Amino acid sequence: DAGVIQSPRHEVTEMGQEVTLRCKPISGHDYLFWYRQTMMRGLELLIYFNNNVPIDDSGMPEDRFSAKMPNASFSTLKIQPSEPRDSAVYFCASSLESDGGSDYGYTFGSGTRLTVV
Amino acid sequence: QKEVEQNSGPLSVPEGAIASLNCTYSDRVSQSFFWYRQYSGKSPELIMSIYSNGDKEDGRFTAQLNKASQYVSLLIRDSQPSDSATYLCALPTGRRALTFGSGTRLQVQP
Repeated sequence: DAGVIQSPRHEVTEMGQEVTLRCKPISGHDYLFWYRQTMMRGLELLIYFNNNVPIDDSGMPEDRFSAKMPNASFSTLKIQPSEPRDSAVYFCASSLESDGGSDYGYTFGSGTRLTVV
Repeated sequence: QKEVEQNSGPLSVPEGAIASLNCTYSDRVSQSFFWYRQYSGKSPELIMSIYSNGDKEDGRFTAQLNKASQYVSLLIRDSQPSDSATYLCALPTGRRALTFGSGTRLQVQP
């Protein structure tokens, strides 16, 4: 398996533009997570899905952020309009709920480094 | 809101020494804890998990959990320059989501 695949790796955009980040989880994984990492705030959970259904989006900073998972192999995180304070590394991660339910072995993607100027 | 506290470091140790990384948490209900390692410019990767009080060893790594003191630590024996990274402590938040600490940067000096 190729692991969790994120695209693009780097994105530079102007303030006010729409940004779409993409993620392909590991085949068969039933959980997908979107995290954001900055020096100031560390790694923050934005939203996560179970079997393509959003479970908790309380970490989404504001209405400018939205996420979808139309099928088990694809998810998007959209920011519209983007602002300089959205600059961060955005990670997607997936995991499989084992029978025991206690294995939190996330596999993270390589991340998308977003710069909003 | 569950919180996880870590000293940001950097923690600098000489090669071959024991590195001790610490994490405190605010939620007394938490039953499991995780240590992730993140190299500069890379994504986090799971290195250890611990669910019960006491020690858990895996190679050069030992995780220690003290639920009464709400304290979890990671010991790295015989530290190597390749261990230089940021170490993130994490605990569960809801259904399989994790809350991460801000991480401790470890530097192993050759």
